[in-house]
Amino acid sequence: DAGVIQSPRHEVTEMGQEVTLRCKPISGHDYLFWYRQTMMRGLELLIYFNNNVPIDDSGMPEDRFSAKMPNASFSTLKIQPSEPRDSAVYFCASTLRTGVTEAFFGQGTRLTVV
Amino acid sequence: AQSVSQHNHHVILSEAASLELGCNYSYGGTVNLFWYVQYPGQHLQLLLKYFSGDPLVKGIKGFEAEFIKSKFSFNLRKPSVQWSDTAEYFCAVNPLNAGGTSYGKLTFGQGTILTVHP
Repeated sequence: DAGVIQSPRHEVTEMGQEVTLRCKPISGHDYLFWYRQTMMRGLELLIYFNNNVPIDDSGMPEDRFSAKMPNASFSTLKIQPSEPRDSAVYFCASTLRTGVTEAFFGQGTRLTVV
Repeated sequence: AQSVSQHNHHVILSEAASLELGCNYSYGGTVNLFWYVQYPGQHLQLLLKYFSGDPLVKGIKGFEAEFIKSKFSFNLRKPSVQWSDTAEYFCAVNPLNAGGTSYGKLTFGQGTILTVHP
């Protein structure tokens, strides 16, 4: 398996634009997590899914953020409209539920909003 | 809700020095515990994990960690660090339900930046 795949690796956008980040989890993993990493706040859990269903979105900062998982092999994190304070590295991770519960991380998307 | 506390934000050592990074968690039940490492510009990678059994676990690159249940701690150690160990280290907790399966939510500490001088 190629691991967790995120795209794009880098994204630079202007304030007010819509940004969509994409993630392909490891095949067979039924949990998917979106994290945001900044110098100020460290690694924050934004939302996670189990079997494509959002379980906990309490970490989503505000209504400008939304996440979907239409099927087991794809998830998106959308920011609309984007703001400079959204600049961060966004990581996607996936894991199995029972037994083996270590999370495997993607390479991350470095988002810069100017 | 569970939380994870890493006591040191930034640790600076010289090569060959010994390392211990503290990690404490707050959760009364059974947990799976992890240490992840993030090298500069890279994603998080698993360093070691504890699920059950021997509380002293060994990971990659000479790292080990000891789970002390009574102290809710899972400290990371390495006898002799190298310049290549310069990275950020994250402790993480995954609580289990009464049936022994995961709730799924992995909570990370704030991270400890380790800088090793040659």
